[in-house]
Amino acid sequence: AQSVTQLDSHVSVSEGTPVLLRCNYSSSYSPSLFWYVQHPNKGLQLLLKYTSAATLVKGINGFEAEFKKSETSFHLTKPSAHMSDAAEYFCVVSESSGTYKYIFGTGTRLKVLA
Amino acid sequence: ETGVTQSPTHLIKTRGQQVTLRCSSQSGHNTVSWYQQALGQGPQFIFQYYREEENGRGNFPPRFSGLQFPNYSSELNVNALELDDSALYLCASSLFTNNEQFFGPGTRLTVL
Repeated sequence: AQSVTQLDSHVSVSEGTPVLLRCNYSSSYSPSLFWYVQHPNKGLQLLLKYTSAATLVKGINGFEAEFKKSETSFHLTKPSAHMSDAAEYFCVVSESSGTYKYIFGTGTRLKVLA
Repeated sequence: ETGVTQSPTHLIKTRGQQVTLRCSSQSGHNTVSWYQQALGQGPQFIFQYYREEENGRGNFPPRFSGLQFPNYSSELNVNALELDDSALYLCASSLFTNNEQFFGPGTRLTVL
């Protein structure tokens, strides 16, 4: 069975400093992995996705993530945090066939300090 | 290109009542998935509809049911509402052969 573990429920960074949000996955085959962001009272917005192409994936708003099969990790990073990055972030693994249903992590709330 | 829309945005019901939530898929998408997001948790897969039939279901009881219409829009129906049904309900549309889903803004349901 597939699963996703987000290692930190809350992360606080100062504006202008790097962001690291950690995600580990479990999958019996090559997974499709995603990061979504959810701002308060808003829907989910796709930041980036990994689908077995390049292991370093670049997304929107300066975010990127690296797929590491040996560590079963897909951590999200950004070199310099902006106040507008404050939100809830979800790591997601998708089935590779059938419904392609999404399995979400429990989320990481990012706080950006001025 | 019109994105995924959901209605209503907020809803308040009492225990035992029934509710219908609606979703219009993004233009060109033929598959709709529904998720329940309880407060402080990640979304949980309820079910998916493709070609007007249920195509996969998560761990939700039969009182959660759905429909998909010929224009690919969808409804989520919940009967005999319970307090624990209070959540944000998210609809996502996609192409059946593609695993990228596009989410609507959600309907927040409060059960009193």
